[in-house]
Amino acid sequence: QSVLTQPPSASGTPGQRVTISCSGRSSNIGSNTVNWYQQLPGTAPKLLIYNNDHRPSGVPDRFSGSKSGTSASLAISWLQSEDETDYYCAVWDDSLNGWVFGGGTKLTVL
Amino acid sequence: EVQVVESGGGLVKPGGSVRLSCAASGFSFSSYSMNWVRQAPGKGLEWVSSISSNTKYIYDAVSVRGRFTVSRDNAKNSLFLQMNSLRVEDTAIYYCARGGVGAQRNDVFDVWGQGTMVTVSS
Repeated sequence: QSVLTQPPSASGTPGQRVTISCSGRSSNIGSNTVNWYQQLPGTAPKLLIYNNDHRPSGVPDRFSGSKSGTSASLAISWLQSEDETDYYCAVWDDSLNGWVFGGGTKLTVL
Repeated sequence: EVQVVESGGGLVKPGGSVRLSCAASGFSFSSYSMNWVRQAPGKGLEWVSSISSNTKYIYDAVSVRGRFTVSRDNAKNSLFLQMNSLRVEDTAIYYCARGGVGAQRNDVFDVWGQGTMVTVSS
């Protein structure tokens, strides 16, 4: 079981807004910044959001991140079919002295 | 082009050893911390190990501590993962990922390789 808790699945229809949560504890999300990764089938993960709410160059502004207390969220606005894939949150854990990933959320575009 | 390329995976028997390599290019390798992240078939991502730019700080996941050793050769722009006492549950794709130029706790894994598959089976 992952240190960070993500819903295993999420879904939405094209054009909708979907949010994916990532729940942690004081030693990880409560103390450090959260990054989000997108992984398309059969490919390496790709950085989607860093430092809670920053987008790397090239990532559409439909993707946004936020953090409050010991939880973080990834929001995807104007959902598109190509957004259907897996999403992971990640953060440094001060107690474990290492990185922890959420279990991943599989997003389905209906 | 900024990239990292992993190699060295393959089929290994339980209890065996393998050494993974990651060749970096297109950036100042010696300035960045580096990481290994793995993904078992059909499973999620699991961080394995992190090494600072000057090798002073090394962190390992509990699941591999005492069995895996990360190292780097800045002169050759290369990262390594020596994997000993391999178990069936170590079967995974192993990714090399670039960290950052500051403290490893602030790393952002912004460059990933395509991964190399390690299969531990008798």
